[in-house]
Amino acid sequence: KQEVTQIPAALSVPEGENLVLNCSFTDSAIYNLQWFRQDPGKGLTSLLLIQSSQREQTSGRLNASLDKSSGRSTLYIAASQPGDSATYLCAVPSGSARQLTFGSGTQLTVLP
Amino acid sequence: DTGVSQDPRHKITKRGQNVTFRCDPISEHNRLYWYRQTLGQGPEFLTYFQNEAQLEKSRLLSDRFSAERPKGSFSTLEIQRTEQGDSAMYLCASSLPDRYTFGSGTRLTVV
Repeated sequence: KQEVTQIPAALSVPEGENLVLNCSFTDSAIYNLQWFRQDPGKGLTSLLLIQSSQREQTSGRLNASLDKSSGRSTLYIAASQPGDSATYLCAVPSGSARQLTFGSGTQLTVLP
Repeated sequence: DTGVSQDPRHKITKRGQNVTFRCDPISEHNRLYWYRQTLGQGPEFLTYFQNEAQLEKSRLLSDRFSAERPKGSFSTLEIQRTEQGDSAMYLCASSLPDRYTFGSGTRLTVV
């Protein structure tokens, strides 16, 4: 059974700092890995999707990497802003339905 | 593309009552998923539809839960005889393979 772990559970940084969020998964036979953002009381917004054949994906100030063999992914946020404050979740699809297995998320606070 | 819509946004109900939630997916998406999320946790998979067929159900989906997707369009999730442990955010998502779009969720509080 796939298990996804995210470290740290919470992170507080001053504005402008670069930061890294970590995600690990137990079963390396994955199709892809996705990073989502969730604002308090809201649904999830897809940030980046990395296919299993890719090593990284970039979107603006966000860069996600994937190392299938070690069962790890990182989300790098450059020049953080207060608007980046949210919970960041990673997820991998599994099963015949390709349903997502999520980590518990990292709650990020960027202080002005 | 108007996104995934969920209704209601919030629901407060007394223990033992039945509740029904609705999800309107993106029209081109034939895959529809329901997830449940409790505070401080990531969403957990409940059930999956491909078009109108319910093809996968999690063991989290007890007999009190039922989901439908008539004609492969909108979907409903019904919880019968609600319990306090059912309090959670219920999220709907539709997708093309691996391209998920989530709705804003329905926050259920059972008192």
